Amino acid sequence: DAKTTQPTSMDCAEGRAANLPCNHSTISGNEYVYWYRQIHSQGPQYIIHGLKNNETNEMASLIITEDRKSSTLILPHATLRDTAVYYCIVRGRNNDMRFGAGTRLTVKP
Amino acid sequence: DGGITQSPKYLFRKEGQNVTLSCEQNLNHDAMYWYRQDPGQGLRLIYYSQIVNDFQKGDIAEGYSVSREKKESFPLTVTSAQKNPTAFYLCASSYGTGVGQPQHFGDGTRLSIL
Repeated sequence: DAKTTQPTSMDCAEGRAANLPCNHSTISGNEYVYWYRQIHSQGPQYIIHGLKNNETNEMASLIITEDRKSSTLILPHATLRDTAVYYCIVRGRNNDMRFGAGTRLTVKP
Repeated sequence: DGGITQSPKYLFRKEGQNVTLSCEQNLNHDAMYWYRQDPGQGLRLIYYSQIVNDFQKGDIAEGYSVSREKKESFPLTVTSAQKNPTAFYLCASSYGTGVGQPQHFGDGTRLSIL
């Protein structure tokens, strides 16, 4: 699976959009981009995933660049409950999810 | 509500003791997984099962055992052979094991040694 690079931490004001970047410059054609988040002492929560096209669901939007070398997770109106560690995962193998260090997002009032 | 239930939330093991962690899902998922998470680290795959009565070793299966007698259940036994069992254990499930199938996680069991 391709390696991902994310900022270690980010802050966002409550009510504003949170834009979390992820770099995956070595991604190959059949690899999906997944986003999960984990709040302390809980299991990871699935947010969204995509292959080539931008995706949107009730939680977030995923914007994948045309060359697929990077992506951005957008939480449109961040709340205090969105404070968590966010993981960007590039998955090309079956069976397991390879979580890296992630980005610690802090939403501030 | 559909979801994945792990129990207990906290578990303590004595030296030489086997302990079993429960994982139940009512999502009608075929595939189930067990991961281990150590502080500040990512997840490592212990075992996975694609269908009932079938399971495969992951990256760190030594000292662990599983069974898959029912679609809904995938218990993990941490045996006395696992010398460093203190960790956060996560169970997950998905409709299939393909790369386009997201895995959904339970809230974990935190295992500690007495």
